[in-house]
Amino acid sequence: DAGVTQSPTHLIKTRGQQVTLRCSPKSGHDTVSWYQQALGQGPQFIFQYYEEEERQRGNFPDRFSGHQFPNYSSELNVNALLLGDSALYLCASSLWRGEYNEQFFGPGTRLTVL
Amino acid sequence: DQQVKQNSPSLSVQEGRISILNCDYTNSMFDYFLWYKKYPAEGPTFLISISSIKDKNEDGRFTVFLNKSAKHLSLHIVPSQPGDSAVYFCAASAGYALNFGKGTSLLVTP
Repeated sequence: DAGVTQSPTHLIKTRGQQVTLRCSPKSGHDTVSWYQQALGQGPQFIFQYYEEEERQRGNFPDRFSGHQFPNYSSELNVNALLLGDSALYLCASSLWRGEYNEQFFGPGTRLTVL
Repeated sequence: DQQVKQNSPSLSVQEGRISILNCDYTNSMFDYFLWYKKYPAEGPTFLISISSIKDKNEDGRFTVFLNKSAKHLSLHIVPSQPGDSAVYFCAASAGYALNFGKGTSLLVTP
């Protein structure tokens, strides 16, 4: 049973460019969340997708956008990259049961913006 | 503002002894709490959780305690093993998002 997978593992971009990160949730999960983890910090919530809709968003600018596909996989897009966007981007999946649920994380994508 | 705080950046414990990791939160709306373990170059791994209607939850060597009046939770690992050496994150939720602390690096020495 595959867990959460993310691609690519590492990515180097320059300021102003755009990037797309991809995530496949754990089998049986229908909800995908994205987090940004800067060095020395805990993960920060970007947004969550359920039924192909963004249902909650953290304190991130509109340059950060996402999408969820019918097979529950998801993409995170970041436009007009800044140096400060360099971080580990984590995808987490869960099964929405209408109550508390644990989120299971992928290994992350390390983004470096030069 | 940091709503979940882990005030100890690091902790060193001898193998076989108890490890106690602490976490404080400020948002009284949080109703679900989780602990994650993270090894370098890996994503966080879910360890154990507790809802606000409980004050204790056990799973093998791991026990989480919740003190709602003090807005404090702790993770106890007994006995500690060298393989437990990792960064531990406390997280809290009031809905869909998880709010994380900055983590505590645990080192278990032989």
